[in-house]
Amino acid sequence: KNEVEQSPQNLTAQEGEFITINCSYSVGISALHWLQQHPGGGIVSLFMLSSGKKKHGRLIATINIQEKHSSLHITASHPRDSAVYICAVLDYGGSQGNLIFGKGTKLSVKP
Amino acid sequence: DTGVSQDPRHKITKRGQNVTFRCDPISEHNRLYWYRQTLGQGPEFLTYFQNEAQLEKSRLLSDRFSAERPKGSFSTLEIQRTEQGDSAMYLCASRQDTEAFFGQGTRLTVV
Repeated sequence: KNEVEQSPQNLTAQEGEFITINCSYSVGISALHWLQQHPGGGIVSLFMLSSGKKKHGRLIATINIQEKHSSLHITASHPRDSAVYICAVLDYGGSQGNLIFGKGTKLSVKP
Repeated sequence: DTGVSQDPRHKITKRGQNVTFRCDPISEHNRLYWYRQTLGQGPEFLTYFQNEAQLEKSRLLSDRFSAERPKGSFSTLEIQRTEQGDSAMYLCASRQDTEAFFGQGTRLTVV
């Protein structure tokens, strides 16, 4: 079982729809990052969370430490939001230098 | 400090040639990570450094791959005798406590 699981793996939406991407993890963490990667591009950090909720423009990220779950929401989605969204956790354990990535969610927003 | 920088951004090489990539982390970040990402996949852990010490290596890092961080600042990743299967995006990240920053990656194409 992967330590960081994202769902869905792929998501297609119509412009304007509200989008939710989920991330569940099985390790104790000190922080969680939501990252965005456009096709052929590098990784951009959207949020870093250790508790609660953060909002930036149309993006909202929440985390529930007890349930080991985080969500990334996009309101009023737009084709330029099409990208891969990756969840990465900084854990207290000993593997991979304590920075573990999910496999990503590929989002495609159609006009 | 402008973030994690990687050089070059793109590299095309012939099969069998050696290539070297460089990563300059955020100043004073003690942890530095290398990841490989193939099309449609999330980043796969290769190795990480705490200061100049290489503390963990993935089994993905065959004997053709070597990474160094000689002074605990920048790092290099070398691939010897490149193969077509090495074609991928190579990502670098640096971290201090709960802050992790990601480079734009080096896209390697082996022809």
